[in-house]
Amino acid sequence: DTEVTQTPKHLVMGMTNKKSLKCEQHMGHRAMYWYKQKAKKPPELMFVYSYEKLSINESVPSRFSPECPNSSLLNLHLHALQPEDSALYLCASSQGLDYRTDTQYFGPGTRLTVL
Amino acid sequence: DQQVKQNSPSLSVQEGRISILNCDYTNSMFDYFLWYKKYPAEGPTFLISISSIKDKNEDGRFTVFLNKSAKHLSLHIVPSQPGDSAVYFCAASASTGNQFYFGTGTSLTVIP
Repeated sequence: DTEVTQTPKHLVMGMTNKKSLKCEQHMGHRAMYWYKQKAKKPPELMFVYSYEKLSINESVPSRFSPECPNSSLLNLHLHALQPEDSALYLCASSQGLDYRTDTQYFGPGTRLTVL
Repeated sequence: DQQVKQNSPSLSVQEGRISILNCDYTNSMFDYFLWYKKYPAEGPTFLISISSIKDKNEDGRFTVFLNKSAKHLSLHIVPSQPGDSAVYFCAASASTGNQFYFGTGTSLTVIP
């Protein structure tokens, strides 16, 4: 299984809602990542988890709260988001722990719209 | 400010010909470069990479060239096939500091 899955595919939420994005991989990868990609922009790294521990937070606002309950699962909890947070949220994983050089396997993303 | 730039948003090439996708970077600390390909409704998939100690890396139809003095890399696809039609992202990273950046992407269309 060389797949990273993400649910839901699409999500529409209001600014007062609380929602979660889910990402799963069963490749035994030791690192997992969240990226944000706005239209016509490159993916931007948000968080890096290594061995289920948060190792990098790229100055992401606290309304985004990541969680790694186990080595296969990565969640992104959303609360009090703004319309400008509307974007494609990509999850990725890698076998190695060096996100800068290790091959990352990406999921298809969750398209988030904040109203 | 964009540290990794792909100045051509789109490129069209005839099947069988060479596709050349370009990428420029501004940070001289970048020492590892990757190319990813993305089909619609799918996540990016890794294609090929190159370390700054090399100036060329080849994998089948795909070759990446690195010109450190010009801070420029390019991806050559020969021969191009319709299945290569996708968005191509270059990415650059530095071994010091948490630096990893994607370029804006180039949409390649290979015309049968």
